[in-house]
Amino acid sequence: AQSVTQLGSHVSVSEGALVLLRCNYSSSVPPYLFWYVQYPNQGLQLLLKYTSAATLVKGINGFEAEFKKSETSFHLTKPSAHMSDAAEYFCAVSGSFGNEKLTFGTGTRLTIIP
Amino acid sequence: ETGVTQSPTHLIKTRGQQVTLRCSSQSGHNTVSWYQQALGQGPQFIFQYYREEENGRGNFPPRFSGLQFPNYSSELNVNALELDDSALYLCASSFGGGMNTEAFFGQGTRLTVV
Repeated sequence: AQSVTQLGSHVSVSEGALVLLRCNYSSSVPPYLFWYVQYPNQGLQLLLKYTSAATLVKGINGFEAEFKKSETSFHLTKPSAHMSDAAEYFCAVSGSFGNEKLTFGTGTRLTIIP
Repeated sequence: ETGVTQSPTHLIKTRGQQVTLRCSSQSGHNTVSWYQQALGQGPQFIFQYYREEENGRGNFPPRFSGLQFPNYSSELNVNALELDDSALYLCASSFGGGMNTEAFFGQGTRLTVV
């Protein structure tokens, strides 16, 4: 069984400040890990994914995440928050084999303070 | 724009009725996955279709059923609607079913059961 836990259902940061959204995973097989963003009344957009290559993964919109096996973590960061980053962020995990479902966390709502 | 189209965008149904939701996959994709996202929650995997066959199912009752057509578009059918079925239903298309390829999500269908 696989699962992810997102710590903090709401995170607020000032514009220009560091964004840190936390995700810890549990998996009995080497995981594939993902971060998705969801804007209001929209579907999900992939920000980045870890597929056992480089542990530091760079994504779109200046986001990056680091896979830390020893900590079973895959936290999402962005050095400088922008107002347009305000959205819901979901961490997800799947198995390392094909045709695996995505198991999502409960999400973190990011608010940017002007 | 992901190229994944869902219809309708919003729907209101009465408890006990049946509903059909539709998803047109992105060109070149042969796999469609369906997810249910309740308010304030992360998406939950319902099932996946790969080349017109069901290829994995989540923890949903049999009244949730689906189809995939030769052009790889897909339908999600829900019978005997319950109030708890109210949610955003998301479909995602990908190629080959493996998660080492990106899954593109549609904007979802918001189903309200009254």
